[in-house]
Amino acid sequence: GQQVMQIPQYQHVQEGEDFTTYCNSSTTLSNIQWYKQRPGGHPVFLIQLVKSGEVKKQKRLTFQFGEAKKNSSLHITATQTTDVGTYFCAGFTSGTYKYIFGTGTRLKVLA
Amino acid sequence: DVKVTQSSRYLVKRTGEKVFLECVQDMDHENMFWYRQDPGLGLRLIYFSYDVKMKEKGDIPEGYSVSREKKERFSLILESASTNQTSMYLCASSSLGATYEQYFGPGTRLTVT
Repeated sequence: GQQVMQIPQYQHVQEGEDFTTYCNSSTTLSNIQWYKQRPGGHPVFLIQLVKSGEVKKQKRLTFQFGEAKKNSSLHITATQTTDVGTYFCAGFTSGTYKYIFGTGTRLKVLA
Repeated sequence: DVKVTQSSRYLVKRTGEKVFLECVQDMDHENMFWYRQDPGLGLRLIYFSYDVKMKEKGDIPEGYSVSREKKERFSLILESASTNQTSMYLCASSSLGATYEQYFGPGTRLTVT
């Protein structure tokens, strides 16, 4: 079946360092969403990418959708302690008509 | 503000018990979802519903059933709880269509002993 993998599973960074998580799908995606889950919280929507090669920015966060629409990345510049949490991608395929969530990347920021 | 509420934050049940988890949303969303979250496995879809009385199996429906009698309410039922169903259960809702974000409830941590 369709799989969406994320790497790395865990990442510890010093505050101020950059961070990137990668999302890879076994099938072509129609669109992809990114969510953030703070420790003890629930996933909260960050952004959606639809077009091949699309790049979107939210302050220090940069999201990219691959040309083949099978992978995506989230890059955080100069991490802060408020960035701590687990980041999930969720890919949608028109064939299954549902979102498949990635395995998540847990980010820890050391002050 | 969209609000998705779940009936319990923490639940402890015994093996073999019937368990009901309820989810209510207040934004008139057509879609509702049940996920379970386990370390290293991310969020896995159990069932979803796109309308009242309609349901679709997700990736791991075995051992679960659902009910949607009203648009705002989506229930997850564990007919006979087992220890491997110990997990965090998350409910979500969204507008109909592929491009709408999902709004999640706070989650129910279920322990089956």
